[in-house]
Amino acid sequence: QKEVEQNSGPLSVPEGAIASLNCTYSDRGSQSFFWYRQYSGKSPELIMSIYSNGDKEDGRFTAQLNKASQYVSLLIRDSQPSDSATYLCAVGDFTGGGNKLTFGTGTQLKVEL
Amino acid sequence: DAGVTQSPTHLIKTRGQHVTLRCSPISGHKSVSWYQQVLGQGPQFIFQYYEKEERGRGNFPDRFSARQFPNYSSELNVNALLLGDSALYLCASSLGTTGIYFGEGSWLTVV
Repeated sequence: QKEVEQNSGPLSVPEGAIASLNCTYSDRGSQSFFWYRQYSGKSPELIMSIYSNGDKEDGRFTAQLNKASQYVSLLIRDSQPSDSATYLCAVGDFTGGGNKLTFGTGTQLKVEL
Repeated sequence: DAGVTQSPTHLIKTRGQHVTLRCSPISGHKSVSWYQQVLGQGPQFIFQYYEKEERGRGNFPDRFSARQFPNYSSELNVNALLLGDSALYLCASSLGTTGIYFGEGSWLTVV
């Protein structure tokens, strides 16, 4: 059974700080990794995808992947109160043309004024 | 461009009833998957479809079924509803491996 583990939080950071969210996965053969943001009462919103070892930056977001350690992280720079949400880490499986995500339980982030 | 659209957005059903949830993928996307999300948990995979064929099924009972139509839209059916089926049901679509995008979801309450 493929598993994805996240610390449920809440993770509290002051406004303007860097928020660091972490995720580990069990299937060493996994190739596709995603971070979703989910506001309370809303559906998940894709914010980052990463497929290769190293860092991938998009605006204030940086995703980091280390396949040897089976570890994915998301850094949010200059955190804003609007970043307060639950962040879901997911591993993708596109076998046979379909799409399947295995999610962690999510980390709740609170950005405090 | 329209994103993934789902209907209905909210519904209330009684135990034992049947429900049908509908999903239209992003234009050009041929793969659709369904997820159930209960409060405090990440979404759980139910089904995936590609080119109108079922390509995978999660650990859900046979009361759950789905299908994909020639226009790539999809519906999820749940029979003999239980209180525990109350959840947010999410549909997601993708084209290739570049990203999987979710609709707004259907909030199902079983009473």
